[in-house]
Amino acid sequence: AQSVTQLDSQVPVFEEAPVELRCNYSSSVSVYLFWYVQYPNQGLQLLLKYLSGSTLVESINGFEAEFNKSQTSFHLRKPSVHISDTAEYFCAVSSMIYNQGGKLIFGQGTELSVKP
Amino acid sequence: GAGVSQSPSNKVTEKGKDVELRCDPISGHTALYWYRQRLGQGLEFLIYFQGNSAPDKSGLPSDRFSAERTGESVSTLTIQRTQQEDSAVYLCASSLGQVGTDTQYFGPGTRLTVL
Repeated sequence: AQSVTQLDSQVPVFEEAPVELRCNYSSSVSVYLFWYVQYPNQGLQLLLKYLSGSTLVESINGFEAEFNKSQTSFHLRKPSVHISDTAEYFCAVSSMIYNQGGKLIFGQGTELSVKP
Repeated sequence: GAGVSQSPSNKVTEKGKDVELRCDPISGHTALYWYRQRLGQGLEFLIYFQGNSAPDKSGLPSDRFSAERTGESVSTLTIQRTQQEDSAVYLCASSLGQVGTDTQYFGPGTRLTVL
């Protein structure tokens, strides 16, 4: 079984400041890792994912996340946030075991609020 | 192309009534997932379908919950004898296959309120 913990339920930051949203997971098997984002009044959409290879993955809008196997973490970072980054961010994992399907196990979400 | 659609967008019902929620996945996507998001909580996996394989029902919280899927198209989630704790946003997602690497595309959700 897997579980995901997002350590901060709310993160308020000022525009152009750096931000880190923390995510830790627990699993008895290897997992794929994801960050999903839900902008106000919009549906949930994939931000970035780690499948294999380089442990640092990037999104098109400047976010990055680093997979740390020893610490079982997948923290999300951005060096300079914009007002438009205000959203709820969900960390999720899925099992690498093929016959367990691709069901996602989500954390409880972190509400990022960017203030001018 | 069209994304995942869900209907209704909002549903208010009385405790004890049955409700049906509908999901239309992206055309060609063989895998379909249902999740729910209760207020202040993360998304919980409920059930997934992959082609003609038996669905994985391991996330269904009780036998009041059931779901069906017609081939590789529409799915309906049915909740019988609704309870107040069933109030949540029910999200449907689809992906090309069941492999964990495939991106899941989410619908806008159905907000269920049980009075």
